[in-house]
Amino acid sequence: QQQVKQSPQSLIVQKGGISIINCAYENTAFDYFPWYQQFPGKGPALLIAIRPDVSEKKEGRFTISFNKSAKQFSLHIMDSQPGDSATYFCAARYSGGGADGLTFGKGTHLIIQP
Amino acid sequence: GAGVSQSPSNKVTEKGKDVELRCDPISGHTALYWYRQSLGQGLEFLIYFQGNSAPDKSGLPSDRFSAERTGGSVSTLTIQRTQQEDSAVYLCASSRTSGGRVTGELFFGEGSRLTVL
Repeated sequence: QQQVKQSPQSLIVQKGGISIINCAYENTAFDYFPWYQQFPGKGPALLIAIRPDVSEKKEGRFTISFNKSAKQFSLHIMDSQPGDSATYFCAARYSGGGADGLTFGKGTHLIIQP
Repeated sequence: GAGVSQSPSNKVTEKGKDVELRCDPISGHTALYWYRQSLGQGLEFLIYFQGNSAPDKSGLPSDRFSAERTGGSVSTLTIQRTQQEDSAVYLCASSRTSGGRVTGELFFGEGSRLTVL
């Protein structure tokens, strides 16, 4: 119920292309959906986040699309660059709080080919 | 620095030895998490501290793992009698909370890479 399913596990995109990573959830009590970016040897860092009362949030080349009825959200990286190569984790915050208040997807390893 | 600090950054130990990993969270962050990340894998939740509440230890994989948080700040993760399968990167994260709820933005340290020979 508090799982977040992320796909694909790995993704290769040509430079300049659009990278799309998808996540789906079941629990309607999730109320905040962040995406984290992790470079090799570093800890994950918050990239962008959205609340379920909006359908889209854009920050530069990064956009979250949110479909509340389908219980899905996705990260789009426009004009993908080699520097975007990283592992991306979607997450969801459970409104009930507690230790499991933030549930992570299993991650997508993104490679942008020059 | 203003970020989450973890030490050591790398630790190589022999099977059966005990290890301690330290996390110094961002000042004022009441929530603290430990995660484990095996090579190329996702984030495995281990333990959560929130203020003065009893920690949530539901993610600890065995009784060889324990953690404490002193004075609501620094945390130590201890692994006793290490096994080869304990080899991983151990990540610490801290967060502000509001009304007992994590804000959703976790600040991660760079991790402690543990190798058990």
